[in-house]
Amino acid sequence: DVKVTQSSRYLVKRTGEKVFLECVQDMDHENMFWYRQDPGLGLRLIYFSYDVKMKEKGDIPEGYSVSREKKERFSLILESASTNQTSMYLCASSFAGFGQETQYFGPGTRLLVL
Amino acid sequence: GQNIDQPTEMTATEGAIVQINCTYQTSGFNGLFWYQQHAGEAPTFLSYNVLDGLEEKGRFSSFLSRSKGYSYLLLKELQMKDSASYLCAVIPGTYKYIFGTGTRLKVLA
Repeated sequence: DVKVTQSSRYLVKRTGEKVFLECVQDMDHENMFWYRQDPGLGLRLIYFSYDVKMKEKGDIPEGYSVSREKKERFSLILESASTNQTSMYLCASSFAGFGQETQYFGPGTRLLVL
Repeated sequence: GQNIDQPTEMTATEGAIVQINCTYQTSGFNGLFWYQQHAGEAPTFLSYNVLDGLEEKGRFSSFLSRSKGYSYLLLKELQMKDSASYLCAVIPGTYKYIFGTGTRLKVLA
């Protein structure tokens, strides 16, 4: 079974804090993704990575950065948290394949920025 | 632009059949996925369509018409545990999914 884990299920931070969200997958997937999920907006892609140290911006990268130093681990960093970054954050991973491989999701981190 | 439309909410009765529609307008098409997401949990994969027609998997089936930009997910013999959100996602190119906002299905006893 594919397993994608995220470091926290719930997180409360203050405005201006630096926030790290970690994601680990155990299936040797090449691709990893970070999404945020908001009511009425669905899942929106923040960043994705197709290899170690490689990253590409998604649809809403502003205010975020990412790090992928090892194949199994993909971190999302909020450089200076703001209240509009309160959201559910979902990590996913997939094989590279031909570009249409199934993505497997972690349980999500619900972040509240006060 | 890229657009995926699904109904926001649907209600059905236990034992019934329900069809959740998804229409899309995207710059390209490399496949369509359906995911199920229970409240507070991760989305889990249900089905993948890339060719026109019906894919059946137990109580769940998914249909695709590429010429119409249309898909549906059919759930038969509804159970209470099917109460969840159902997400339609299209891959216009490679790797990147475009998600619809999801359809929240309530199954009533």
